[in-house]
Amino acid sequence: QVQLQESGPGLVKPSETLSLTCAVSGGSITEYYWSWIRQSPGRGLEWIGYIYYSYSEYTNYNPSLKSRVAMSIDTSKGQFSLKLTSVTAADTAVYFCARAFSPYTSGFYPYWGQGILVTVSS
Amino acid sequence: DIQMTQSPSSLSAYVGDSVTLTCRASQTIGTSLVWYQQKPGKAPKLLIFGASTLHSGVPSRFSGSGSGTAFTLTINTLQPEDFATYYCQQSYTTFPVTFGQGTKLEIK
Repeated sequence: QVQLQESGPGLVKPSETLSLTCAVSGGSITEYYWSWIRQSPGRGLEWIGYIYYSYSEYTNYNPSLKSRVAMSIDTSKGQFSLKLTSVTAADTAVYFCARAFSPYTSGFYPYWGQGILVTVSS
Repeated sequence: DIQMTQSPSSLSAYVGDSVTLTCRASQTIGTSLVWYQQKPGKAPKLLIFGASTLHSGVPSRFSGSGSGTAFTLTINTLQPEDFATYYCQQSYTTFPVTFGQGTKLEIK
C-alpha cells in the first residue's frame, strides 16, 4: 500500500522560503505524477503542481504560483520536495502531498499524505 | 482556469436520508470529474472518478452522474460516517487542476 508522509518546518517567517518533503513508501516513485496541494479556509483546496520522473524530471505548476514554486525529486531516497519562495501570510495552509491514480493519469489522487500545517508568521 | 462551483455550500440531513450534491464546471469537461470526501483533520478521500466510477472500497450507496458542465453526487441511505465535507475536482486539464469550494454535509 502506497503511503506518503510530509515533513518540514511548521513555522516560516514572511519573505522566507517554505520547504517541505514528502517521503514515499510502498511503491515506486518513478513513472507516477506526484503533486502538492494545499488547503486553507480562505482559498479552499489549491493545486500547487506536480512532478514526474521517468529518465528525466518534468514539472507543471499552477500559474498563480509558478514564479515562486520549485519541485524536485530524489529517486534514491524515494522522496520529492516543494519549495515556495517569498511567502506571506496568504501561504499559511495545510500542505498535502499526493500521488496520481496511475502512471497514465496526472489529474486525480487516491493517495494523500496526512498533511502538514505551515504557518507564515514572524 | 476551469472554475468549479458546488451547491449547496452546506446541507443538513438525517441518518437514512438520501441526498444529492451538485457541482458545475465553468466550461465543458466531459466526464473528467472527481469527488472526494474529507473529514476534519484528514486528507481528502477519493470516492468517484470519471464522473461515475466508484473508487475501490467505496460503498455502493455513493453514486455520481453527469457530463459536460453539470454533475451530481448522490448518497443513498446516509450513514453516520457519511457526514463530512465533499469536494468536486475537474481532471480535464492540469493547467491547473481545480477544486470546488466544498459542500458540508451535517447531521440533523
